[in-house]
Amino acid sequence: AQSVAQPEDQVNVAEGNPLTVKCTYSVSGNPYLFWYVQYPNRGLQFLLKYITGDNLVKGSYGFEAEFNKSQTSFHLKKPSALVSDSALYFCAGDKLVFGAGTILRVKS
Amino acid sequence: ETGVTQTPRHLVMGMTNKKSLKCEQHLGHNAMYWYKQSAKKPLELMFVYNFKEQTENNSVPSRFSPECPNSSHLFLHLHTLQPEDSALYLCASSQGGRWRTGANVLTFGAGSRLTVL
Repeated sequence: AQSVAQPEDQVNVAEGNPLTVKCTYSVSGNPYLFWYVQYPNRGLQFLLKYITGDNLVKGSYGFEAEFNKSQTSFHLKKPSALVSDSALYFCAGDKLVFGAGTILRVKS
Repeated sequence: ETGVTQTPRHLVMGMTNKKSLKCEQHLGHNAMYWYKQSAKKPLELMFVYNFKEQTENNSVPSRFSPECPNSSHLFLHLHTLQPEDSALYLCASSQGGRWRTGANVLTFGAGSRLTVL
């Protein structure tokens, strides 16, 4: 069975700095991996997905994620954080198993 | 709006009440899902319907009863709930048929916040 883990409950970053939200996965075979974002009082919104191909996946709002098979990771990144990026971020995998979420706080 | 509408947005009920949550999508999707979201816990997949057929029941207690009359509507009937059932219940939809491959992107509703007293 596949599982994903988000090791950080919360990530704090200053506006303009690069951000990374971590995700690791456990699966046999080739994984499908996703990132979703949830703003307050809203449902989850799809950001990007990795199915196969290039290890660097580009998504919405300037986010990207890097699939690293040797480290079984799929970290979400953005070169320059915005205050409006503050939200709850979920990593998800095959059969739509989700992590516990990571709160991202971007301070001005 | 994402195209997936959930009602009511907030619900408070006693343990002996019977209520229902409703989900509606007009995206042309054929798969619909119920998830439970509790603070600091992974989203819990509860039920999956694919072309109106239930294809997943993730060991959910019988006090939760799903209903999918057509591909556009999904209900979650609630009865004799417990306080620990208080959570945000999320409905989602996706293209049908291939959900088991895990490649489908989900479109979520805003959720129904349930409080059980």
